[in-house]
Order: sequence, then structure tokens, then C-alpha cells
Amino acid sequence: DVKVTQSSRYLVKRTGEKVFLECVQDMDHENMFWYRQDPGLGLRLIYFSYDVKMKEKGDIPEGYSVSREKKERFSLILESASTNQTSMYLCASGTRNEQFFGPGTRLTVL
Amino acid sequence: AQSVTQPDIHITVSEGASLELRCNYSYGATPYLFWYVQSPGQGLQLLLKYFSGDTLVQGIKGFEAEFKRSQSSFNLRKPSVHWSDAAEYFCAVGATGSGNTGKLIFGQGTTLQVKP
Repeated sequence: DVKVTQSSRYLVKRTGEKVFLECVQDMDHENMFWYRQDPGLGLRLIYFSYDVKMKEKGDIPEGYSVSREKKERFSLILESASTNQTSMYLCASGTRNEQFFGPGTRLTVL
Repeated sequence: AQSVTQPDIHITVSEGASLELRCNYSYGATPYLFWYVQSPGQGLQLLLKYFSGDTLVQGIKGFEAEFKRSQSSFNLRKPSVHWSDAAEYFCAVGATGSGNTGKLIFGQGTTLQVKP
């Protein structure tokens, strides 16, 4: 079975803090994705990576950055967390034909 | 540009009743089509996918979906709903051919509530 793990299920941070969300996959997938999920808006793509050290902006990259130093790991970074970044964050990995999702991290920024 | 619309934000059905969740897409050709399910507090799980061929696709948990090119639709169906089907359902589309980067566009989601 494909396994995508995320470092935390729940996270509470303060405004202005630097936040790291980690995602690890065990299927040697080229592609990895970070989404944000908000009620009524579905999943919106923040960034994706198609290879080590390669990244591409998604639909809502503002306020976020990413890092992919190893194929299995894709990190989402909030340089200075703000309250409007309170959300559910989902990581996925996959091929060109399918994506596999992690359990999500619910981030609250106070 | 690709887009996906799930017209129903919230649907309530009785246990044992049939279910149909609607999905309409906008794309210049026939895209790859997916349905995912998200149980409360969980990530997304793939129910089924359509790439080509038979337009009626069978998935897991007794779900099926039918691709209708003329209506740009990919509706999800189940003949008899179980209480455990209560979840949020997402339709998604992906580009085909040389435009396929593996990225998906997701609909807004439909929340299914099942009445006893």
C-alpha cells in the first residue's frame, strides 16, 4: 500500500511564527503536492514538485514556500504564519495518473 | 481552462436509498476523471477513475460513475447507501496527453449525510 505521512495531525502556532509541515511518501513517486482545504472551496493547490529540487507554483502560493531536497520528502513552509492561513493542509504524492493523499494537518494560527 | 463544478454542496439521503452525486467539468478534450472520498478527519481516498474506454466505471465500496461526453458530466452513483458512506466527496479532473503533469483540479466537494 502507498503510504503518505504528514508530520502532525494538529498544529497550533502563533502569528508571525515560521511553520514547517513535513510530508513523506514511500512509493518513489516523482510528483508531490501541497493543497489547502477550506469549507466550500474544495482543495486548492499551493505548490507541487515534479522532481527533487524542482517546484512549481499552484493556484495560491502567496505566503508559502516549499522544499524538496530528497525524493520522498516535500516540506511546506509558512515563513510568517498569519491567521488567514488557519486551514487543513493535505499532502499528496503520485504519478501522472493518480494521487495518493496523506491524512492532513489541521493548522490553527492564533 | 479546466474547471470542475459539483452543484450540490450538501445532500441528505436515507440509509438504503440510492445516491447520485453530480459533477460537471470544463475541458477542451476528454480529461482524466476521478472521484475521491474523505471521511471526517481523514485524507482523500480514491473511489474510482476514468481514463478511456467503457463510460461506466466501477469503483470501491459499491460506487460507480458514468462519463457522459455530451453533458460534460461524471456523476457518481450507489444503488443503496450505508451509514458509513457519510463523508465528503470530491470530483477531480486531470489533463491528458502532452498537457498531463499529474496535477488535478478539484470540485468544491459534496457533503453526504445519511439518515437512519
